[in-house]
Order: sequence, then structure tokens, then C-alpha cells
Amino acid sequence: AQSVTQLGSHVSVSEGALVLLRCNYSSSVPPYLFWYVQYPNQGLQLLLKYTTGATLVKGINGFEAEFKKSETSFHLTKPSAHMSDAAEYFCAVSDSTSYDKVIFGPGTSLSVIP
Amino acid sequence: DAMVIQNPRYQVTQFGKPVTLSCSQTLNHNVMYWYQQKSSQAPKLLFHYYDKDFNNEADTPDNFQSRRPNTSFCFLDIRSPGLGDAAMYLCATSRDRGNLYEQYFGPGTRLTVT
Repeated sequence: AQSVTQLGSHVSVSEGALVLLRCNYSSSVPPYLFWYVQYPNQGLQLLLKYTTGATLVKGINGFEAEFKKSETSFHLTKPSAHMSDAAEYFCAVSDSTSYDKVIFGPGTSLSVIP
Repeated sequence: DAMVIQNPRYQVTQFGKPVTLSCSQTLNHNVMYWYQQKSSQAPKLLFHYYDKDFNNEADTPDNFQSRRPNTSFCFLDIRSPGLGDAAMYLCATSRDRGNLYEQYFGPGTRLTVT
């Protein structure tokens, strides 16, 4: 069965500092991996996804994530945090055995300090 | 702009009083999903439609039903809401089946049960 863990339910960074949000997954077959962002009182928006190919994936708003099979990780980074990045971030996993289903992690709330 | 619309954004109902939440989409997507998201938790898939084909998650309570009268609309019916059903309900769509297709989320309906 697939699962996702996100280390740190809440992360605070200073404006302009590096953003690092951690995600580890469990999957018995090669995974598809996603990061979604949720702003207050809004739905989720896809930031980026990894399916196959290049392990470093670039997404919207300057975010990127690297798939590391040996570490079963898919951490999300952004070189310089902006106030508008404050939101809830969800890592999610799916694979070829769960055709329509995406399993979401518990989420990490990102705060950006001026 | 093509989008996923949910009405109402906020819904208050009484314990045991049936309630219906609405979702419409202008994307002409084949798949529509309903998720339940409780406070500070990950979204949990309740069910989805692939065209007219209804797919229920095994752990979705019978209290939750869904209807999709046409491609554009999908409804979530809660037959007898309990206090534990208070949550944000998210509707999402995707162009086709399969976890490689991005899901587009609506802004959600926050349900309060009194």
C-alpha cells in the first residue's frame, strides 16, 4: 500500500530564505509523485509532478523537487521564500496499481516571516 | 476562464438534516472527484465518476451519496449529517482516467453541522 509522510507539520522561514519541505513515500512499484499547494479557504493547486524521466522536476512559482529513489524522498525546495508562498503544502503519491487514486500526505503549513 | 465551481462556499446544516453540495465544471473533463478534508488533515477521497461510471471508495460511509446528471455537474448528498461530517468538501476534475492526469480543484464548500 502507498503512503506519504511529511516531516514537520509546520515550517517557518524568513522572507528570502531557502524553503525546504520534506516528503517521503512508500510504494511497492515505481511511484508517481506530486506536490500541491492550498491557500486559505481555497482548493488545491498542482505545483509539480514526477512520473518518469528526469528526477529534478521544476514547477510553478519557482518551486522544484527531486525524486531520490534510494531515499524514497521527493523534497520540495525554493531558493528564496516570498510572503505569497505562505500556504499548506501537500505531497501525494500514486502508482500504476491505483489507476485513479492519489494518496495525500498530512500536509505542511509554511509560514514566511518578513 | 475554465474552472471548477462549488456552491455554496459555506453551508450550515442541522444534525440529521439532509444537505446537498454542488459542483460544476467548464473544463469538459470526464472525471469528477469528491474529497473530504477535515481541519489540518489531508484530503480524503470519497468517490469519483468516470463519465457516468460511479466509483465508491471502500471506506466511504453509506451516508454519503453522489449524483452526476450530466458532464458539467456533480452533487454530493449527505443523507443524515452528523457532527463528525463537519469538514471542507472539495470537488476536483481531471481530463481522463489515470493518475498522470492533473486534478483541478474547486475552492471547496465548508460544511458546519449544528
